[in-house]
Amino acid sequence: GENVEQHPSTLSVQEGDSAVIKCTYSDSASNYFPWYKQELGKRPQLIIDIRSNVGEKKDQRIAVTLNKTAKHFSLHITETQPEDSAVYFCAASRWDTGFQKLVFGTGTRLLVSP
Amino acid sequence: NAGVTQTPKFRVLKTGQSMTLLCAQDMNHEYMYWYRQDPGMGLRLIHYSVGEGTTAKGEVPDGYNVSRLKKQNFLLGLESAAPSQTSVYFCASRTGPEAFFGQGTRLTVV
Repeated sequence: GENVEQHPSTLSVQEGDSAVIKCTYSDSASNYFPWYKQELGKRPQLIIDIRSNVGEKKDQRIAVTLNKTAKHFSLHITETQPEDSAVYFCAASRWDTGFQKLVFGTGTRLLVSP
Repeated sequence: NAGVTQTPKFRVLKTGQSMTLLCAQDMNHEYMYWYRQDPGMGLRLIHYSVGEGTTAKGEVPDGYNVSRLKKQNFLLGLESAAPSQTSVYFCASRTGPEAFFGQGTRLTVV
């Protein structure tokens, strides 16, 4: 089955710096890679996703890159703000017919200091 | 439109007791999932369902059972609770790419 590894487990940056979180996956058939943000005491929510036919996707200050050959993908946050402080999860999924299993990484706690 | 709703939000159980967590979604989603979230271990899949009447095991199914008798509901049961099942439980549902999560259930087994 799919295995998703995520690094680092914690990341501290100063406001305005960039933050990068990296994930690797094991199943070469995985073709959908979302990122979820979980604020303290709240539910995870989708912030950005990428499909395997795309190498990079941007949405304002966040971007995701995918390297299918190396089976890794990364989340990039530029100009970080204190409200970016949260736990971020990457995930991988196969868009097969029949079933869809969403496997998450272990999470990265991002702390942005003013 | 409530989205995904979990019941209860908090619960304390004694070792050996049983309970059922309810997940209800009003988005007509086909797929539903139960995850547990523990510090440093992310979201681990317990069981999932690809449609009414179907269920399958995830990564950590031992000690849990599930049922999906109605499309909108996915029940997670603990027959004999153990302290190792102390966790925050999240339900999620989806049909398209995005998974929608419930607000979580914080379960403590003493």
